[in-house]
Amino acid sequence: DAEITQSPRHKITETGRQVTLACHQTWNHNNMFWYRQDLGHGLRLIHYSYGVQDTNKGEVSDGYSVSRSNTEDLPLTLESAASSQTSVYFCASRSGSDTGELFFGEGSRLTVL
Amino acid sequence: RKEVEQDPGPFNVPEGATVAFNCTYSNSASQSFFWYRQDCRKEPKLLMSVYSSGNEDGRFTAQLNRASQYISLLIRDSKLSDSATYLCVVNILSNFGNEKLTFGTGTRLTIIP
Repeated sequence: DAEITQSPRHKITETGRQVTLACHQTWNHNNMFWYRQDLGHGLRLIHYSYGVQDTNKGEVSDGYSVSRSNTEDLPLTLESAASSQTSVYFCASRSGSDTGELFFGEGSRLTVL
Repeated sequence: RKEVEQDPGPFNVPEGATVAFNCTYSNSASQSFFWYRQDCRKEPKLLMSVYSSGNEDGRFTAQLNRASQYISLLIRDSKLSDSATYLCVVNILSNFGNEKLTFGTGTRLTIIP
């Protein structure tokens, strides 16, 4: 079965370190998204991509970057982790239609000390 | 005013009862609407899309009221397994093909035996 996987599922890091969260989907979806979820804020969009070599900033992109070198992967990098980036991160993918279903990964819980 | 607002709850409802909750959105240009379900410490999953004419899927009914800018979710004959957080999602598609998918903070529902 096609799926979307994230790794690591849990990570503890220190302030200032670079962290990369991986996201891999096997649906061959063009659209991929990264969200963070925090209490009281719901899901907020960090970055998104509509295809290979395409990346776009979301509403909370500061301190994060993504790259899309192939269809399957959209890694999220925190260049210099900050305590404010402690959160649960969800990757999602969608076939391409703006009305299509978003499929989410299981989430990556990141703690920045 | 938040772009998408939901009553956070919690709604504590006895098994078998009917429960309804609303979600209001501020941007009249919003075009697509969805309800997602999120179990504790899990990823969100699509429950149903919301169409202008309203739609029903088993015990679940979704309605859209464009004039008052809200969508609703009705759950009949509630089951213990309906306990979850329900996320309202609104999508705005611009003339340039850009979209903005906004999640509400969710309404927590607990079904009591």
